[in-house]
Amino acid sequence: KQEVTQIPAALSVPEGENLVLNCSFTDSAIYNLQWFRQDPGKGLTSLLLIQSSQREQTSGRLNASLDKSSGRSTLYIAASQPGDSATYLCAVGKGSSGSARQLTFGSGTQLTVLP
Amino acid sequence: EAQVTQNPRYLITVTGKKLTVTCSQNMNHEYMSWYRQDPGLGLRQIYYSMNVEVTDKGDVPEGYKVSRKEKRNFPLILESPSPNQTSLYFCASCSRGTTRLGEQYFGPGTRLTVT
Repeated sequence: KQEVTQIPAALSVPEGENLVLNCSFTDSAIYNLQWFRQDPGKGLTSLLLIQSSQREQTSGRLNASLDKSSGRSTLYIAASQPGDSATYLCAVGKGSSGSARQLTFGSGTQLTVLP
Repeated sequence: EAQVTQNPRYLITVTGKKLTVTCSQNMNHEYMSWYRQDPGLGLRQIYYSMNVEVTDKGDVPEGYKVSRKEKRNFPLILESPSPNQTSLYFCASCSRGTTRLGEQYFGPGTRLTVT
């Protein structure tokens, strides 16, 4: 059974710092990996989607990498801002295209960016 | 605007009183699913549907029912709610575009309390 772990569980940084969030998974036979952002009391917003054949994806100040063989992904946030404060969730899609939509989630990293 | 909507957003009910949480998406997605989110356990999939009239169990289906009679709607039914079903519930739908296969879109969540 796939297990997804996110470290650290919580992180507090001063504004302007670059930071890295980590995600690891036990079964490397994944179809894709998706990073989400969750704000308190709100739903999940998709940030980046990496297919299993890709090594990284970038969107603005965000960069996500994927190393399937080692079962790891990182989310890099450049020049952090207070508005980046949220919980960041990593989720992996199962190994076949037909079941790729079944996601297994990590427990998230709660990020606080201090002004 | 492309979106997944859920109703109600908040619900307090009593043990045993049947309830339905509705979910609707306007993106013509074939795939829809339900998750519950609990502290320390993360998001876990309850049920999913690959298309109209096609549904299957996720990781935690006990105590829940679903139906998919129309492509846009995927209601979650609790026939006899119990306190252990107190949770935050999310509906999600998934794109089938070739470049973003597997990217999931989430609704805003329904916070359910069963007393």
